[in-house]
Amino acid sequence: DSGVTQTPKHLITATGQRVTLRCSPRSGDLSVYWYQQSLDQGLQFLIQYYNGEERAKGNILERFSAQQFPDLHSELNLSSLELGDSALYFCASSPPALGDEQFFGPGTRLTVL
Amino acid sequence: QKEVEQDPGPLSVPEGAIVSLNCTYSNSAFQYFMWYRQYSRKGPELLMYTYSSGNKEDGRFTAQVDKSSKYISLFIRDSQPSDSATYLCAMKTNFGNEKLTFGTGTRLTIIP
Repeated sequence: DSGVTQTPKHLITATGQRVTLRCSPRSGDLSVYWYQQSLDQGLQFLIQYYNGEERAKGNILERFSAQQFPDLHSELNLSSLELGDSALYFCASSPPALGDEQFFGPGTRLTVL
Repeated sequence: QKEVEQDPGPLSVPEGAIVSLNCTYSNSAFQYFMWYRQYSRKGPELLMYTYSSGNKEDGRFTAQVDKSSKYISLFIRDSQPSDSATYLCAMKTNFGNEKLTFGTGTRLTIIP
């Protein structure tokens, strides 16, 4: 168990809908990262937050947005969902001191029908 | 062309064999190299972390980095059925909090 929690575990929804994925980092970690894992693309970095501020952006679609709250938990919002958005979404966190080791949560499996 | 290439396998070897997993990359700015293990329906977990070229050993695992060839390897000695998982290489350019670029992963099965 990495100490990173993600909810929900599974999510099934329809095209055009909007969903919110939630992540709680390990105690003391200030950075939160979001990744998307699909069969054909592998694990792709979406976005990073550090202590509430956006720090780095990857291949995140405009339909997707994220934020990190004062208690350091983070939410990833996916809107106007398409079939191709079906994937595993992972959150990871890292401590400020080490800076480079990321600890991954168990993921949220999103299925868009 | 992807920045990081990894043979997806699947790779099946008998228990006790030495396993060799590899990645190649194109971005010469990558300096930090990692190997993650991912069991089915779980999140990736960090196995090995190395900086620049050289070898690093941790128990049955050895990571090698050859920056001149843009090639990294993970060796598993005395492989066990519990090593059956998908192995992902990952790399980054700078120390500090920044995005990781992953290979697509190699699925490994150790046959008892």
